[in-house]
Amino acid sequence: GAVVSQHPSWVICKSGTSVKIECRSLDFQATTMFWYRQFPKQSLMLMATSNEGSKATYEQGVEKDKFLINHASLTLSTLTVTSAHPEDSSFYICSARRDSVAEKLFFGSGTQLSVL
Amino acid sequence: DAKTTQPPSMDCAEGRAANLPCNHSTISGNEYVYWYRQIHSQGPQYIIHGLKNNETNEMASLIITEDRKSSTLILPHATLRDTAVYYCIVRVRGGGSNYKLTFGKGTLLTVNP
Repeated sequence: GAVVSQHPSWVICKSGTSVKIECRSLDFQATTMFWYRQFPKQSLMLMATSNEGSKATYEQGVEKDKFLINHASLTLSTLTVTSAHPEDSSFYICSARRDSVAEKLFFGSGTQLSVL
Repeated sequence: DAKTTQPPSMDCAEGRAANLPCNHSTISGNEYVYWYRQIHSQGPQYIIHGLKNNETNEMASLIITEDRKSSTLILPHATLRDTAVYYCIVRVRGGGSNYKLTFGKGTLLTVNP
């Protein structure tokens, strides 16, 4: 089956530093990937749509200069949380659309970010 | 995309069938019903989707009413590992590069021993 690998699984960082999260589609090419954020006991909130070779599309209210998304290849998208603050602490999840099986998304296992 | 309504929580005994309802009374003719689930601290997992006919796969069955205003996800023999939040999502199929899923609050299914 299609596998999406997300790394790291968890990260602790100091306030003001930047953190990069990687999302890889291991056995398929993904033109489109999605980044979600989830706070405790809440549902997933879509942050942005990442398109290979072009700029990401951000949802309303998401700061594009704070959450930098790069989708340089068909198998890798990265999310960088810049100048992280404690309120950025959250569970970040990526997903990829397998073009040949476009009706379902494959999700990574998530990254728990804790900003001290 | 049409809005969905799900009960916030349900309980089920291990080995019994779990029936999870979803109301989508404003669904349009070209919108599909998708089900995903999220086990605690993991990414969501696709379960099944359908348009108007009942669907079955190795994980579950999806029963859609004739008027398509509601549906039921059935896990025929629930196990403890099926404890998760189940999301019912209604959207238009495909959508090109703008394809995306919007998650509601879902139903927390707890399977008890």
